[in-house]
Amino acid sequence: AQKITQTQPGMFVQEKEAVTLDCTYDTSDPSYGLFWYKQPSSGEMIFLIYQGSYDQQNATEGRYSLNFQKARKSANLVISASQLGDSAMYFCAMREGRGLTGGGNKLTFGTGTQLKVEL
Amino acid sequence: ETGVTQTPRHLVMGMTNKKSLKCEQHLGHNAMYWYKQSAKKPLELMFVYSLEERVENNSVPSRFSPECPNSSHLFLHLHTLQPEDSALYLCASSQEGAGMLRDTQYFGPGTRLTVL
Repeated sequence: AQKITQTQPGMFVQEKEAVTLDCTYDTSDPSYGLFWYKQPSSGEMIFLIYQGSYDQQNATEGRYSLNFQKARKSANLVISASQLGDSAMYFCAMREGRGLTGGGNKLTFGTGTQLKVEL
Repeated sequence: ETGVTQTPRHLVMGMTNKKSLKCEQHLGHNAMYWYKQSAKKPLELMFVYSLEERVENNSVPSRFSPECPNSSHLFLHLHTLQPEDSALYLCASSQEGAGMLRDTQYFGPGTRLTVL
């Protein structure tokens, strides 16, 4: 079974509108962290936002917020007031607590969602 | 943001060539990673170095050989590659804390590799 599922290969949104990018995850580990990255066409993966499994509140970073629904195992990214520069691939990733042993920080990525912001 | 740099940005090589990819991080991190990104596939973790020791090798073919001479530099040596090895190769670094889930990986811009 896939650990991270992003079911929207492509999304369109009008400038200044809000958009939600879906992410569901699968883990039996009670300790985990969820990350969202943005990848413009230039290739660099840019860290956007983090949510821990024990965090009581949804994470927010500027125009980015994470709609964390633990029981549903979903961690959707919400981008408010979309801008043309938000057009990019967006990846959801997870780090499981059991990955903390043995060194290194092992992230599992989804297949991504291509977001296109239109005028 | 130039925390993690990669050179070259683009590389075209024949199957018999030997080349190396270079990654340098300026963030003072103690862990570095190589990922492979192929079209329509999730990022694949290839190698992990923590405190300059390799701690992960995800069944990567021996034609890929990593080297981590110090905590700031990471190399990926390539030899006798196949056309299916054409991909974007991303380097990342992180600061490993005391078992912190939120240790974030920061990525470089990648090397776009084409194997003819």
